[in-house]
Amino acid sequence: DTAVSQTPKYLVTQMGNDKSIKCEQNLGHDTMYWYKQDSKKFLKIMFSYNNKELIINETVPNRFSPKSPDKAHLNLHINSLELGDSAVYFCASSLGTTYNSPLHFGNGTRLTVT
Amino acid sequence: GDSVTQMEGPVTLSEEAFLTINCTYTATGYPSLFWYVQYPGEGLQLLLKATKADDKGSNKGFEATYRKETTSFHLEKGSVQVSDSAVYFCALSDSHAGANNLFFGTGTRLTVIP
Repeated sequence: DTAVSQTPKYLVTQMGNDKSIKCEQNLGHDTMYWYKQDSKKFLKIMFSYNNKELIINETVPNRFSPKSPDKAHLNLHINSLELGDSAVYFCASSLGTTYNSPLHFGNGTRLTVT
Repeated sequence: GDSVTQMEGPVTLSEEAFLTINCTYTATGYPSLFWYVQYPGEGLQLLLKATKADDKGSNKGFEATYRKETTSFHLEKGSVQVSDSAVYFCALSDSHAGANNLFFGTGTRLTVIP
């Protein structure tokens, strides 16, 4: 009964490839997010969707494209992978968009680009 | 802009020692403040939160008080256990920012030794 699940857990790929990370939540939340955690554990928001609509789009390369087929899913597609994309990517969800709605995180996808 | 500054780690304590992890913030609006914990190999979990000045969040023996006058939200626990070993993140979400955009500190790694 995992609340926020993302796959795969580990992803090793070569530069220039295209890859996707999938995320699903079964909490009935309206809002989903993608965060990137670098090697120093620093976390930064990338995107946020509310009811399939993009509401936060931070400054990330346009090689990163989120897709939300329904409010329970938010996938992340990355084109032309670069070495600097290596990081842990976390999906999260919250009940709403209000600023005091706690986030529920998935266990992360460790992406290694060689 | 909004930001969170938390004490650098790592922190190593003996079991039953007193824990303090300092956190200060800068915000434009009226922020909510959070502590998240990340156990090895897992995503972040909400530990506690406070949504207005002088509120005290508490959970699992951890406490933090929202101090507007010192713009701080320090995490404390009176007697740590080995199972508390994890990375702790202070975070804020600001009403001024509109949508729920959490700003995280850099994380503090805590290791508790028997």
